[in-house]
Amino acid sequence: TQLLEQSPQFLSIQEGENLTVYCNSSSVFSSLQWYRQEPGEGPVLLVTVVTGGEVKKLKRLTFQFGDARKDSSLHITAAQPGDTGLYLCAGVTPGGTSYGKLTFGQGTILTVHP
Amino acid sequence: DAGITQSPRHKVTETGTPVTLRCHQTENHRYMYWYRQDPGHGLRLIHYSYGVKDTDKGEVSDGYSVSRSKTEDFLLTLESATSSQTSVYFCAISDGSGSYEQYFGPGTRLTVT
Repeated sequence: TQLLEQSPQFLSIQEGENLTVYCNSSSVFSSLQWYRQEPGEGPVLLVTVVTGGEVKKLKRLTFQFGDARKDSSLHITAAQPGDTGLYLCAGVTPGGTSYGKLTFGQGTILTVHP
Repeated sequence: DAGITQSPRHKVTETGTPVTLRCHQTENHRYMYWYRQDPGHGLRLIHYSYGVKDTDKGEVSDGYSVSRSKTEDFLLTLESATSSQTSVYFCAISDGSGSYEQYFGPGTRLTVT
């Protein structure tokens, strides 16, 4: 069974601060996805990283996939209250018959105070 | 937004009763998934489907069964609900292109008393 350890579980910061969320595993994933979830709604895909060492930017959010494709990080610059939510990383199981099965981390609840 | 709906959105049921949750999509995507979300566990895969009548188990499939008789509908059944199945259930779909990006429904909150 593949596991993804996500940390920290909770982050409470002031507007304007920077933060990083980590996802780590001993398993290799074919790709890694990051989702954001608002209360009462389903997760919404933010980004997918596929290649080892890949870096993707989405406005103030920077996503990185580890060289060995076992870990990933999400960095937010100058956080805003609108960034508040649950952030989830999810690894795609490798293999042709995996059919996109995802292994999720436990999630990080981010609260950004004005 | 992907056309994916779940019904019911909320349900309270008693221990031992059967429950069926429905996921309906209008995107004609081949792959469909059922997850449950519990505090501290993220989302965990229950069952998934890779085509009509093609389904397989996920990591937490005990006590659950699924059926997919047509592309647009994926049903999750709890044959005899238990309190440990109190959770929020999410359906997701994917067309399998790229990296199997998944699009989630709004969820069903199930309480088993």
